Amino acid sequence: DAGVTQSPTHLIKTRGQHVTLRCSPISGHKSVSWYQQVLGQGPQFIFQYYEKEERGRGNFPDRFSARQFPNYSSELNVNALLLGDSALYLCASSLGFGGGAFFGQGTRLTVV
Amino acid sequence: AQTVTQSQPEMSVQEAETVTLSCTYDTSESNYYLFWYKQPPSRQMILVIRQEAYKQQNATENRFSVNFQKAAKSFSLKISDSQLGDTAMYFCAFMKHDTAGGGADGLTFGKGTHLIIQP
Repeated sequence: DAGVTQSPTHLIKTRGQHVTLRCSPISGHKSVSWYQQVLGQGPQFIFQYYEKEERGRGNFPDRFSARQFPNYSSELNVNALLLGDSALYLCASSLGFGGGAFFGQGTRLTVV
Repeated sequence: AQTVTQSQPEMSVQEAETVTLSCTYDTSESNYYLFWYKQPPSRQMILVIRQEAYKQQNATENRFSVNFQKAAKSFSLKISDSQLGDTAMYFCAFMKHDTAGGGADGLTFGKGTHLIIQP
């Protein structure tokens, strides 16, 4: 079975641009969450979606938005990119109810 | 809000030794889950072990086991017979129980411990 897949794996954007990151969960998983990991730190929670509804949001500005589609895949959008948005963006899927989240390989975003 | 503290930025042991990584957390929740994740240089985050707070029995997965002390809010990871492939960043993580499913606040991670297994 395929694990969590994220695309693209690497991305370079210019300040002020917009970016869309994509995530396909493990088959049967209805919960998708997004995390930002800056080099040398633990991941920081951005969004949680379960059954296509936003269930939680971390302490990130409104420039960050996300959605979950009927097939449970998800997109993370970031507008008006800043240099500080450069990070590894991780997507995780789970069955929900504390079963443990399984992560994709991440998207490395560099803002120049 | 929950906090997770890993007080050991880096640890180094010899191959085949046993090593224990520390983690403490702070929460007012009574029902929650705790996890240890491994992140090797490939940056892929791998679930190592999971503990449900309402279960007193410590979780084990092959060479990995935890010492869960709920009253002390402590959740340490023991790796027995360490192997070169265990070299990685290890993150302790907390998630509160969400009765509606999904884990509304996601995972709260510590800053990680860089574990180095020496040959």
